[in-house]
Amino acid sequence: DAGVTQSPTHLIKTRGQQVTLRCSPKSGHDTVSWYQQALGQGPQFIFQYYEEEERQRGNFPDRFSGHQFPNYSSELNVNALLLGDSALYLCASSLVAGADTQYFGPGTRLTVL
Amino acid sequence: EDKVVQSPLSLVVHEGDTVTLNCSYEVTNFRSLLWYKQEKKAPTFLFMLTSSGIEKKSGRLSSILDKKELFSILNITATQTGDSAVYLCAVNRQGGSEKLVFGKGTKLTVNP
Repeated sequence: DAGVTQSPTHLIKTRGQQVTLRCSPKSGHDTVSWYQQALGQGPQFIFQYYEEEERQRGNFPDRFSGHQFPNYSSELNVNALLLGDSALYLCASSLVAGADTQYFGPGTRLTVL
Repeated sequence: EDKVVQSPLSLVVHEGDTVTLNCSYEVTNFRSLLWYKQEKKAPTFLFMLTSSGIEKKSGRLSSILDKKELFSILNITATQTGDSAVYLCAVNRQGGSEKLVFGKGTKLTVNP
């Protein structure tokens, strides 16, 4: 049973560039949530996708956008990168039908220079 | 605004010690509280608590929730070096969405 997978593992970009991160949910899950974790902080909710639509959004600017595909996998896009976007980006999957538990992937470490 | 506060922020103990990690919260329409262990990258699920006073247990780890006082504790007995990690507490609210609000975590270091 495959868990949540994310790619790439690490990424280095420069300010102003754009980045796309990818996530495949745990088998049988249909909901994907994205979190940003800065060093020494807890994860912060970015947004959640279900049925290919953004279901809820946290306090992140429009530079952060996403997509969910029919196979439930998801992408996170960040435009016009800032130094402050450097963080670990975590993807979590769950079942919408009442399951509170979210299962996390290993994350993508993004460094913006 | 929903808020989760964990204490202490860091803790150093010796193998064999027992530790208690704290999590207090303020959230509208509380539904559940979750504990995760984060060693390098992926937070791994430990417990989900929804009812007051019912202890959840898994091996040397246990956790309990107090919904009246709005806090939870995570206990680890007979600590081992493999318990060294950041322990994250998160809360979820009623309303169908599954946005988790996390605390900053407690960094536990267990020395041999």
